[in-house]
Amino acid sequence: DARVTQTPRHKVTEMGQEVTMRCQPILGHNTVFWYRQTMMQGLELLAYFRNRAPLDDSGMPKDRFSAEMPDATLATLKIQPSEPRDSAVYFCASGWVWSDTQYFGPGTRLTVL
Amino acid sequence: DAKTTQPTSMDCAEGRAANLPCNHSTISGNEYVYWYRQIHSQGPQYIIHGLKNNETNEMASLIITEDRKSSTLILPHATLRDTAVYYCIVDSSNTGKLIFGQGTTLQVKP
Repeated sequence: DARVTQTPRHKVTEMGQEVTMRCQPILGHNTVFWYRQTMMQGLELLAYFRNRAPLDDSGMPKDRFSAEMPDATLATLKIQPSEPRDSAVYFCASGWVWSDTQYFGPGTRLTVL
Repeated sequence: DAKTTQPTSMDCAEGRAANLPCNHSTISGNEYVYWYRQIHSQGPQYIIHGLKNNETNEMASLIITEDRKSSTLILPHATLRDTAVYYCIVDSSNTGKLIFGQGTTLQVKP
């Protein structure tokens, strides 16, 4: 049963520290998405990749967030420096380019103190 | 701007059918209707999608009105494990930009 995996599942850090979240998409999928979920804002799309190329990162604060896909099996979301308002659950999802059916990972719960 | 309107919450008795409505009066001809759900503390899960015709899979049925301005997700025999937030999303295939609204919180009660 193929699944999207995310690491770490939980992260507690102090303000100003760098945070890196990792995602392994389902093998064969060629689109990868990063979402953030908070109680106030709900689920927000931060960025997405197609065939490893960034297509849209308009939902992401550019000054501190960066997203990359160094290879087809790994996507990363980095926050530097982190702030308390970044506390949220970050989800990665993957899918195929011809479909909006996305498969979500379990999420990384980030707490910035 | 939200493309869909859903009730904030609904209750359903265990074993009964759960019918979740969604209004999408501004849907375009090439936009699909997608349903996802999110069980507490988990990532969203794809349920079903459709364009014009009614669709059924092992999880649910999707009924789309003839004018496509609204749809209903049907869980035929709801169980306690179906308690979740259900999201109705309209989007044209291949954009990848699913916009999640607030969804409907479905509470299945014994």
